[in-house]
Amino acid sequence: RKEVEQDPGPFNVPEGATVAFNCTYSNSASQSFFWYRQDCRKEPKLLMSVYSSGNEDGRFTAQLNRASQYISLLIRDSKLSDSATYLCVVYKSGNTPLVFGKGTRLSVIA
Amino acid sequence: DGGITQSPKYLFRKEGQNVTLSCEQNLNHDAMYWYRQDPGQGLRLIYYSQIVNDFQKGDIAEGYSVSREKKESFPLTVTSAQKNPTAFYLCASSIRPNEKLFFGSGTQLSVL
Repeated sequence: RKEVEQDPGPFNVPEGATVAFNCTYSNSASQSFFWYRQDCRKEPKLLMSVYSSGNEDGRFTAQLNRASQYISLLIRDSKLSDSATYLCVVYKSGNTPLVFGKGTRLSVIA
Repeated sequence: DGGITQSPKYLFRKEGQNVTLSCEQNLNHDAMYWYRQDPGQGLRLIYYSQIVNDFQKGDIAEGYSVSREKKESFPLTVTSAQKNPTAFYLCASSIRPNEKLFFGSGTQLSVL
């Protein structure tokens, strides 16, 4: 099993739709979790950190399920500008670097 | 403004040539990283450094070298031993290994 797994997509959704991505991780000792957004040929940018209690930022909601070892990202009322690749990032423990998933591509269509 | 600066934005390498990608940060971060991204692929870790004068190999270190003589700087050299260097290279930094990463804008390296 890969350390961090994501469905590569693409997810093609109409404007205004609600879409959700999941990301599974293999190490139950993982401690920190993040969602990044990457536009084509640009650097990834932090979208949100994922806390045990879940967190919400406007139209975006992130949740952590430790029992099933996955994190999720929910996007409500999708905009054309949400079209991007969403990267799941997991920190295990100690001084090991963050581990990136390969990303899920989202296309929001007018 | 604080941030990470990568240069150049585009770089071309001839066969057998070594090239160096620059990465400078003024965020006072201890940890710095180099990633490689191929089209349609995720980020793969080349090297990372958690403190000055120390660095570790990532998943794909062969054909690359780094140095960390100053906290602010983490240059990456793509050597002639790297037979398939064409890719998008991203530098990043973080306060600590478990903290969020801040990225530079990337360098696109191509082979002539």
